[in-house]
Amino acid sequence: AAGVIQSPRHLIKEKRETATLKCYPIPRHDTVYWYQQGPGQDPQFLISFYEKMQSDKGSIPDRFSAQQFSDYHSELNMSSLELGDSALYFCASSLLAGGTGELFFGEGSRLTVL
Amino acid sequence: AQSVTQPDIHITVSEGASLELRCNYSYGATPYLFWYVQSPGQGLQLLLKYFSGDTLVQGIKGFEAEFKRSQSSFNLRKPSVHWSDAAEYFCAVGGYGGSQGNLIFGKGTKLSVKP
Repeated sequence: AAGVIQSPRHLIKEKRETATLKCYPIPRHDTVYWYQQGPGQDPQFLISFYEKMQSDKGSIPDRFSAQQFSDYHSELNMSSLELGDSALYFCASSLLAGGTGELFFGEGSRLTVL
Repeated sequence: AQSVTQPDIHITVSEGASLELRCNYSYGATPYLFWYVQSPGQGLQLLLKYFSGDTLVQGIKGFEAEFKRSQSSFNLRKPSVHWSDAAEYFCAVGGYGGSQGNLIFGKGTKLSVKP
């Protein structure tokens, strides 16, 4: 069965650079979530989209932005990168309308900021 | 504020022994409760979830968990641990803001399995 696809799997950037992470949800899923997991930390909710509209916002820095496109894939844009942004970024998708709402996580994109 | 506490940072058990991972939550309403497992460098896999109904829920890989409202707990159990169960386990609560997907995770419990 198709799973959540994230790209790139690994990314290395310098401080103050920008980075873009992509997420391709499971086909027909209508909701996408972004989480950030720092080294040795628990995942922290960043932002979510339902039917291409932002549905909720968590602890996402102002330097970060995200959107969901017409094909339901989502991108997380991070600017003015800081060392503390080094983390594993997870995307998850779910089917809310008519579904269980269960989250399915991708394998994550590991961002290293030097 | 909503929160999840996993009191044990690291647990070591022998293969074949029973396992219980503790989870306590603080939440103003009936929560959605989840247990996820994460192998090193991997994503999060859902083991089981509780939304309502029977307070003893069965999950994948032989895991089960019991919701105890009076104790605000949702402990994960397995009667006989396998070496492949070594991983990090996260308890999570969802449902605030009306969305079960905005999960609050505990800090995780790392499970090591001795041969």
